[in-house]
Amino acid sequence: SQTIHQWPATLVQPVGSPLSLECTVEGTSNPNLYWYRQAAGRGLQLLFYSVGIGQISSEVPQNLSASRPQDRQFILSSKKLLLSDSGFYLCAWSGQAPDTQYFGPGTRLTVL
Amino acid sequence: QQQVKQSPQSLIVQKGGISIINCAYENTAFDYFPWYQQFPGKGPALLIAIRPDVSEKKEGRFTISFNKSAKQFSLHIMDSQPGDSATYFCAASGTGAGSYQLTFGKGTKLSVIP
Repeated sequence: SQTIHQWPATLVQPVGSPLSLECTVEGTSNPNLYWYRQAAGRGLQLLFYSVGIGQISSEVPQNLSASRPQDRQFILSSKKLLLSDSGFYLCAWSGQAPDTQYFGPGTRLTVL
Repeated sequence: QQQVKQSPQSLIVQKGGISIINCAYENTAFDYFPWYQQFPGKGPALLIAIRPDVSEKKEGRFTISFNKSAKQFSLHIMDSQPGDSATYFCAASGTGAGSYQLTFGKGTKLSVIP
């Protein structure tokens, strides 16, 4: 069966510091991968998606970036965090039919 | 055009009652409508999904009703239990080439009181 992992689970970072969040998927190959952000009490905002290694599409212009160095690895990064980057970051995967997405456990990021 | 409007924002239901959450969409190219359940501090989990070739889908206590002409779909939770207390998101997507996005509603926080 397929499993999606995210780490760290929680993170507290000062403003201006760098960020690296990692997501890995097991039990499937060539998945579509997604990064979402969920602000407190709000819906899901798609940040990036990837249909293959090195292929990244950005949905929201911001100081975040994403990379996919391996088939089942998706990384969310920032060079300098802003207070507004605080939130719950979710990674998701889908098969090549993109409709059914499966979410990871999330990373709670607090920028102070 | 890409929005999915979800209501109500919050819902309080007595144990054993019926919880109803409604969603409406505008994009006629949407052809897949999943519902997700999210508990605090956890990632959303796929609950049930429907395609527009059927008007209703039932899985246990959860039912999706779909009205293609009105561009509306709803989630019914029968015999609601305190363990159903969570935030529910509807979503929609088009499964044509290049359709990689799920468009989510803003969520409904359901509280089932004993």
